[in-house]
Amino acid sequence: NAGVMQNPRHLVRRRGQEARLRCSPMKGHSHVYWYRQLPEEGLKFMVYLQKENIIDESGMPKERFSAEFPKEGPSILRIQQVVRGDSAAYFCASSTGASGNTIYFGEGSWLTVV
Amino acid sequence: GQNIDQPTEMTATEGAIVQINCTYQTSGFNGLFWYQQHAGEAPTFLSYNVLDGLEEKGRFSSFLSRSKGYSYLLLKELQMKDSASYLCALNSGNTPLVFGKGTRLSVIA
Repeated sequence: NAGVMQNPRHLVRRRGQEARLRCSPMKGHSHVYWYRQLPEEGLKFMVYLQKENIIDESGMPKERFSAEFPKEGPSILRIQQVVRGDSAAYFCASSTGASGNTIYFGEGSWLTVV
Repeated sequence: GQNIDQPTEMTATEGAIVQINCTYQTSGFNGLFWYQQHAGEAPTFLSYNVLDGLEEKGRFSSFLSRSKGYSYLLLKELQMKDSASYLCALNSGNTPLVFGKGTRLSVIA
């Protein structure tokens, strides 16, 4: 499968636990984006990364959230000490380059905090 | 910053034509995307308009007027499987895509 791969597809965490979401971009893509989608709302940009660099994290909450895209391996979005409000679908997307290039989405990771 | 407006919901009949509008305000503009998203699934790319005018792709067409800050997605010969949310997204230059809240289209028999 040459598409954007995300795992897990569904994740349940208790309040206070950590959630770790993984994303492998499409083959040949070096730019990764994370978006969050709350029920009945649009996609909200969180963070944009290239290999080993965070390019833009203006949409990511300052506390508890972090993202990385190491030289080897998938991009990871990490949410520490989850709260009920973190329950959402988290979509990863990738592209070959920066602005102007079509971004392709993964199937999403649905986080439920109980 | 950017602002994008789309109708929240629309309903149309199978076999008909529907036009989904998107208006936007932005300080920089490189192009406008349309994505389709079925419930519980990933958004999928439909079209990208950079220049003014109509781009046709099968049953789907997308129009852009940069001077008016306006785009629309036109769906012809509607099918039940076209029931989905349609997302308008701005490419403003050096920032990642900014999405509207989407228009939820229901196709009825």
